[in-house]
Amino acid sequence: DAGVIQSPRHEVTEMGQEVTLRCKPISGHNSLFWYRQTMMRGLELLIYFNNNVPIDDSGMPEDRFSAKMPNASFSTLKIQPSEPRDSAVYFCASSLPGHRKQFFGPGTRLTVL
Amino acid sequence: DAKTTQPNSMESNEEEPVHLPCNHSTISGTDYIHWYRQLPSQGPEYVIHGLTSNVNNRMASLAIAEDRKSSTLILHRATLRDAAVYYCIPSSNTGKLIFGQGTTLQVKP
Repeated sequence: DAGVIQSPRHEVTEMGQEVTLRCKPISGHNSLFWYRQTMMRGLELLIYFNNNVPIDDSGMPEDRFSAKMPNASFSTLKIQPSEPRDSAVYFCASSLPGHRKQFFGPGTRLTVL
Repeated sequence: DAKTTQPNSMESNEEEPVHLPCNHSTISGTDYIHWYRQLPSQGPEYVIHGLTSNVNNRMASLAIAEDRKSSTLILHRATLRDAAVYYCIPSSNTGKLIFGQGTTLQVKP
């Protein structure tokens, strides 16, 4: 079992550029979660999906952030345009239907210069 | 969402038991209590969860107070690899996890 896969693992970009983070959940998991972690704000839930449908996006900071889940095996988190304050580690997690145990990916470390 | 209170940091000696406390006095009757941990430079990792009864698994034990306003995560024999930030998270059946600041556990050899 490969676990939750995230790419890229590291991303350095300049302010104003578009950034796309990718996540492949564990096969068979139908819930997918995007989190962001910074020193100042800790771990924050941004959005989560059940069966590819966004259920709660109240944690998405602003309209510059968008997330999609076109199928059960792939999700993206896009930031356009990126700003230095978006620098953080972004985690994706998935879970089985009706289960409470979330499996986290290794994260993507984003640096916006 | 229920608020939690955990000590900022704790220390333990290797091979000794560790009791990590958490207060969640505003927990609702249907919220489960989850514990996750985050090792340095890694994503969070599930440890254990429970509703009312004490729970055991290969990683740890979870002791839940009778009134459910507090719980304690017990690591029976701490190892150096247990050094991490431990998060206590009351969660409804929506699956949402709201992470607090957690407890940073240091394990001394």
